[in-house]
Amino acid sequence: EAQVTQNPRYLITVTGKKLTVTCSQNMNHEYMSWYRQDPGLGLRQIYYSMNVEVTDKGDVPEGYKVSRKEKRNFPLILESPSPNQTSLYFCASSPRAGGRETQYFGPGTRLLVL
Amino acid sequence: GQNIDQPTEMTATEGAIVQINCTYQTSGFNGLFWYQQHAGEAPTFLSYNVLDGLEEKGRFSSFLSRSKGYSYLLLKELQMKDSASYLCAVRDRNQAGTALIFGKGTTLSVSS
Repeated sequence: EAQVTQNPRYLITVTGKKLTVTCSQNMNHEYMSWYRQDPGLGLRQIYYSMNVEVTDKGDVPEGYKVSRKEKRNFPLILESPSPNQTSLYFCASSPRAGGRETQYFGPGTRLLVL
Repeated sequence: GQNIDQPTEMTATEGAIVQINCTYQTSGFNGLFWYQQHAGEAPTFLSYNVLDGLEEKGRFSSFLSRSKGYSYLLLKELQMKDSASYLCAVRDRNQAGTALIFGKGTTLSVSS
C-alpha cells in the first residue's frame, strides 16, 4: 500500500531532551516536506527536500533540523525541544516539486514538550 | 508576499449545498489545491485547479478564477461525515521549492 508513515504518533517529552520524528514513504517520491499545524495558524512548512541530500528551510525552521540520506526517509530532529514546539507535525511527500501532483500526508505526530 | 483567506467556520444541514470560498494573493500562481482534514487526522486531497473554470468530482466541485484570485469548493448533498476542516492551498512558483502555501482552513459543521 502506498503510504507515508511517521513515528512516533504521540510523544510527551521535556524541555531540552533531543528527539527525532521519523518519516518514511514507499512511493519513490523525490519531494518530501515537514509541516507543523497549530490552532489558528494552519499548516506551516518547516523544512523540505527536493531529493536525496538536498534540503532547505521552509517558513518556520528555527529549532529544527532534517536530513535526507535516502530517498524514502526524511527525519525531523529537535535538538533541544522547547514548549513552543508543542504541535501537531505532518510529513508529506509528492513525486516531485511543483506540478499538479498532490502531496501525500503522513498520519501526524502529536508532540507535547513540558 | 502570499496571503490566503478563507472563512474560519461554516455550518450547514444534511442534504444541503455549501460553498467555501478562498481568496489568495501570490506572485507566481501555479495551481490551487483543496484538502479535507478531519480532526486530528492528515489532510487528504480533494481537488486541483490550475486553469479557470469548474472541476467536478462527484459531490465535490472546485472553481477557480485566476484574474480574481478566487476559488471555491462546492459540496452538494451534505452528509454528517463531511464535517471537517477544508484547507485551501496555493502553489507559488516563486516560493522556494515551489511550496504549497496553506490557508488557515474552514471548519464545516454539518447537522441533521
